[in-house]
Amino acid sequence: EAGVAQSPRYKIIEKRQSVAFWCNPISGHATLYWYQQILGQGPKLLIQFQNNGVVDDSQLPKDRFSAERLKGVDSTLKIQPAKLEDSAVYLCASSWASGGYNEQFFGPGTRLTVL
Amino acid sequence: TQLLEQSPQFLSIQEGENLTVYCNSSSVFSSLQWYRQEPGEGPVLLVTVVTGGEVKKLKRLTFQFGDARKDSSLHITAAQPGDTGLYLCAGASSSNTGKLIFGQGTTLQVKP
Repeated sequence: EAGVAQSPRYKIIEKRQSVAFWCNPISGHATLYWYQQILGQGPKLLIQFQNNGVVDDSQLPKDRFSAERLKGVDSTLKIQPAKLEDSAVYLCASSWASGGYNEQFFGPGTRLTVL
Repeated sequence: TQLLEQSPQFLSIQEGENLTVYCNSSSVFSSLQWYRQEPGEGPVLLVTVVTGGEVKKLKRLTFQFGDARKDSSLHITAAQPGDTGLYLCAGASSSNTGKLIFGQGTTLQVKP
């Protein structure tokens, strides 16, 4: 079974530029999560999708971050414009369903550096 | 706001030593998970504990959920260099949507 795929793996941009990340979850997984992991910290949930609907985006900085999962499969996360403090690893995860006991499977992440 | 605090943040030990990592909160969690993350990879689930007082063993790793479901510990016996990595605890949010609240992690280095 293929795992969660993410691209690109690394991205370096200058502040005020735009960037987009792509995630392909495990086949059949209805729930998709985007996390931000700043160096030295644990992952922080940015947004959670159930199929193509948003379940939780309470910690997504909506003035600069956006995400979509149009067909309930792949997802993209965009930052526009980027700030220095956005430097982090962006992790995508998926699970069969939402709920506290469903195992989340994580992708390898995209490491973003904003200069 | 539900928060999880892990201690210690960094641990460097010799092969064969024992260690314990703690995960504490003032909030009650319906379940708690432990993950291990290696450089350049995403976290991988090690265990889920659900019942207060529950103890689970995974080879040389022993996980315990506190009676009040506010804290947890991970004990490693006879650590090996392959145990090196970032250990994260994560609690299931009270919203029951699957949202996880992560601790800040414990970086473990086991030297041969």
